[in-house]
Amino acid sequence: GAGVSQTPSNKVTEKGKYVELRCDPISGHTALYWYRQSLGQGPEFLIYFQGTGAADDSGLPNDRFFAVRPEGSVSTLKIQRTERGDSAVYLCASSLSRDNEQFFGPGTRLTVL
Amino acid sequence: KNQVEQSPQSLIILEGKNCTLQCNYTVSPFSNLRWYKQDTGRGPVSLTIMTFSENTKSNGRYTATLDADTKQSSLHITASQLSDSASYICVVSGGNSWGKLQFGAGTQVVVTP
Repeated sequence: GAGVSQTPSNKVTEKGKYVELRCDPISGHTALYWYRQSLGQGPEFLIYFQGTGAADDSGLPNDRFFAVRPEGSVSTLKIQRTERGDSAVYLCASSLSRDNEQFFGPGTRLTVL
Repeated sequence: KNQVEQSPQSLIILEGKNCTLQCNYTVSPFSNLRWYKQDTGRGPVSLTIMTFSENTKSNGRYTATLDADTKQSSLHITASQLSDSASYICVVSGGNSWGKLQFGAGTQVVVTP
């Protein structure tokens, strides 16, 4: 595709449920990033992939959050036992390599009731 | 404490007028500074990227300045248009081995007719 795409665009779930958020990066981009953005705030780093491996997962808030990128392209962010505090917009970005410009997707708005 | 601080938090300007947004950062070591524009419900889009050796860069009606000595940057919007209404986020790269992006909270700009 022409840009980074994310699905779903909106996700409403109940407290305690499991959710998966998907990111399709720009074709050929080896670096992929997940961010979380709360209302009125800038994005907050979660995890960075270089190829298939997580090069830096220091931003994941706790062990309920996990992300994979098994084939070095599509990535899935997984949140277990969701809490109301997890409600936010989850942004994905990709870049040609780590030092290049990051292109952002439109985000997935997660609401935990 | 956030290493990237922006001011003002929000501002309202009349169409056709100019405005200047401020960014102060403490990220060290410093690699580059970026300004992003984020429309409501969209992912951030890059406006300018500056390294420490650059002190000004323009993109159409947007002009960014950087003073790496005082760790300050500004974004000037000339002859504002209604489409300039958005959040403008200052982003600093550096501070670790792979240039993780540190985001400010953004300045919400509203351009009124």
